[in-house]
Amino acid sequence: EAQVTQNPRYLITVTGKKLTVTCSQNMNHEYMSWYRQDPGLGLRQIYYSMNVEVTDKGDVPEGYKVSRKEKRNFPLILESPSPNQTSLYFCASGTGGFGQPQHFGDGTRLSIL
Amino acid sequence: GEDVEQSLFLSVREGDSSVINCTYTDSSSTYLYWYKQEPGAGLQLLTYIFSNMDMKQDQRLTVLLNKKDKHLSLRIADTQTGDSAIYFCAETPQTGGFKTIFGAGTRLFVKA
Repeated sequence: EAQVTQNPRYLITVTGKKLTVTCSQNMNHEYMSWYRQDPGLGLRQIYYSMNVEVTDKGDVPEGYKVSRKEKRNFPLILESPSPNQTSLYFCASGTGGFGQPQHFGDGTRLSIL
Repeated sequence: GEDVEQSLFLSVREGDSSVINCTYTDSSSTYLYWYKQEPGAGLQLLTYIFSNMDMKQDQRLTVLLNKKDKHLSLRIADTQTGDSAIYFCAETPQTGGFKTIFGAGTRLFVKA
């Protein structure tokens, strides 16, 4: 089954404790992306990647890091999480063709205390 | 800068048509999308339209694009309770690389 898998689905942690949210896709997609969803703001793009070792900033990259060492994986790293990063996070992937739609994971709800 | 705006709520009766509206600012946008998000789930693509089209129909869904006014709408015919969800409008600006800009989402309530 074609899917985008995120882990964990839920995490409660404390300020400053490094965390990683993993994202994996089994569709051989070149394009992958991270978004955060906040009430009234919709989805805002954090980072995206067009291919292995190619990443670029979205609209809200501050406080986040990503890496794309393999085509299928695109982890999101919070080196020193802060409460304003409490949010619902989505990973997505796509073929990378311009304008092609994205396939989304089920989301990771992060709470930073 | 690029921006996508939607109203936050819409309530309709079961069997009626729903019309969800969206405005965008980037006139270079080439693709415009409608995604659906059900509770506890990720976004699911419903339909998309290329900017040289005025209308696209897919079963109960009709997308209308007014490029002059930068206005996109999604009409759902014969709305069912299963259509209750958040609907996101999104665009891929031609000048923005491969960024995708999403609106805040419209929460559709369908009353039985």
